[in-house]
Parts: sequence; structure tokens; C-alpha cells
Amino acid sequence: ETGVTQTPRHLVMGMTNKKSLKCEQHLGHNAMYWYKQSAKKPLELMFVYNFKEQTENNSVPSRFSPECPNSSHLFLHLHTLQPEDSALYLCASSQDLRSGRHNEQFFGPGTRLTVL
Amino acid sequence: AQKITQTQPGMFVQEKEAVTLDCTYDTSDPSYGLFWYKQPSSGEMIFLIYQGSYDQQNATEGRYSLNFQKARKSANLVISASQLGDSAMYFCAMRERNNQGGKLIFGQGTELSVKP
Repeated sequence: ETGVTQTPRHLVMGMTNKKSLKCEQHLGHNAMYWYKQSAKKPLELMFVYNFKEQTENNSVPSRFSPECPNSSHLFLHLHTLQPEDSALYLCASSQDLRSGRHNEQFFGPGTRLTVL
Repeated sequence: AQKITQTQPGMFVQEKEAVTLDCTYDTSDPSYGLFWYKQPSSGEMIFLIYQGSYDQQNATEGRYSLNFQKARKSANLVISASQLGDSAMYFCAMRERNNQGGKLIFGQGTELSVKP
């Protein structure tokens, strides 16, 4: 496997379910990100991890709980979601948090989540 | 205030012709980077091109070039010789240097359709 992978690709869940999204990067990067992409809206950053430490929580509701056990893996644990949480959830990674030309973020294919 | 503005929700271009996708931005940080990403229907965000605020020349990557006009705060993407595979959503994004959290701010995107 190369690049950034995400599983599952599609997920349908009820509001009382608990599920987890998984992201894995094979690029040797140290920073990982969760983004939410709703229809007709710009991508919204949710969380940032750098060297396994959370560096940003963009006022995300507590029903979304991230976990970063190591620099290669990132999880998003979901519980008691609402229908408006239905969206494409994208994971990304970069070398670290520095700015600059060679530190672009590489994205996974996303998990399309539907909350019923 | 919106930091990244893409005013064209949808664009059409004839195959083999050039097309310009507009992007304007707003920042008070003198140091920043501008990115363009392509998102096909599969969902994955693909990095296309980067322009740093201090770069003297416009960035180019193959058929992609960035028309960077700093005084106007615009960073338009030019795709030359359009191909059918260029049909996708295109997102402009900005990262400010004083943002230590690695946050990319995205525009709302432009959907490009290439006609045969």
C-alpha cells in the first residue's frame, strides 16, 4: 500500500451506533489531519496531530473523538451522531507542520458517512 | 470574512482549450502559501501546484500554472490543453505561516467539466 488509505470507504450508521474511521499513511509523515467535507461547503479542518500529539481541535463536537496511536495511524471514533454529520471525511498527512513548498498535505480517498 | 473565495461554482471548457479557474484570498500574514487541489468523483484530493507568497515567479507544473497577482490577492489556476480527465472539482487553499497548527483553509471549489 502506498500513500494515504482510509477505511471504510462508505459507512451508514444510526444515531445510536458507535463506529470508527481509520486512516493509515505510508509516507513516513509526522502530521495527520481530519477534514469534513459537506455538500456545498468548503472543507473544514477538524483535528491535527503532530508527532502523535493533538495540536488543533477546531471546535469539533465531542461526539467525534480522534485517536492517534502512532505517526502512521489516525482514527476518528463516532458516537451518537446526528443526520447533519453526514459528509465525506477526509484524512491527510504531511511531513510535519512547517509551511512551505515541499510540505503539502496528501489526502486519502475519504469515508462517505451517512447518518440515518 | 471568507479567506478563500472561488466565484465560479461551475465551468465548462472544450477539450484541448485552456481554462482559468479563479481564486482570491484574504490574509494579513506576509508569509503564506497557496495550493490548488483536484478532487475527482472518487473523492481523493490530489495536490496540483503550490505558490509561496515570496516566490518571484509564477509556479508551473506541467499543464498547470498559477497566475499569482499578489497585489490583487489572486491566485488563479490555468490549465492548458484541457483533457477529459481534467473534469473534477478544483479547490484553492491557503496556509498562513503564523498558523502553527498546519491549517489549510479551502475555498468552496469550482466544478470543471471538459467537453469532447
